[in-house]
Amino acid sequence: NAGVTQTPKFQVLKTGQSMTLQCAQDMNHNSMYWYRQDPGMGLRLIYYSASEGTTDKGEVPNGYNVSRLNKREFSLRLESAAPSQTSVYFCASTNYGLAGEDTQYFGPGTRLTVL
Amino acid sequence: AQTVTQSQPEMSVQEAETVTLSCTYDTSENNYYLFWYKQPPSRQMILVIRQEAYKQQNATENRFSVNFQKAAKSFSLKISDSQLGDTAMYFCAFMNRNAGNMLTFGGGTRLMVKP
Repeated sequence: NAGVTQTPKFQVLKTGQSMTLQCAQDMNHNSMYWYRQDPGMGLRLIYYSASEGTTDKGEVPNGYNVSRLNKREFSLRLESAAPSQTSVYFCASTNYGLAGEDTQYFGPGTRLTVL
Repeated sequence: AQTVTQSQPEMSVQEAETVTLSCTYDTSENNYYLFWYKQPPSRQMILVIRQEAYKQQNATENRFSVNFQKAAKSFSLKISDSQLGDTAMYFCAFMNRNAGNMLTFGGGTRLMVKP
């Protein structure tokens, strides 16, 4: 039981390049989330998927797209990376709507640098 | 929208002593949970403790306990018998159960446990 896994762990991009961050969970959770953490700050929600087939914007969605590929996988895409997107990205999952099971569990993070 | 405020950017405590981290939040929601997460230098987000807002009893987990004051919108974390391994960033987080279980994080408190 690996929990929440993220790939890659580190990535360096040039301005304008694109990339996709991958996230997978093996806890049979219905909801998945993408957050970013800038230096010295708390996490901020980018997008989330409350259930397979649905996605919704969070607090800071501009410049990102997401895909809920299946129940296990939720990817985050940067179409044209900008230096302002330099951050650590965290994926999380939970069972939304099931009382007592809706704590969010986090992956190890991806450190992204955009030059 | 809700906001979460942690007014102590940094704190320190001697090993084996007790320390309290403060958190206040502002919301008009009535269906929510509150969490404390720990982030050590490894960056992994680790759940410390959770509190369901409808419960009056304060949550406890071994050496960790909370003081939940719903009317005052205050949610402090007490760490007893502090250990060197408690050194980390601590984030208070608000979960809106009416909106996909989104988490809103405070800015964090950096805790240093001194030998």
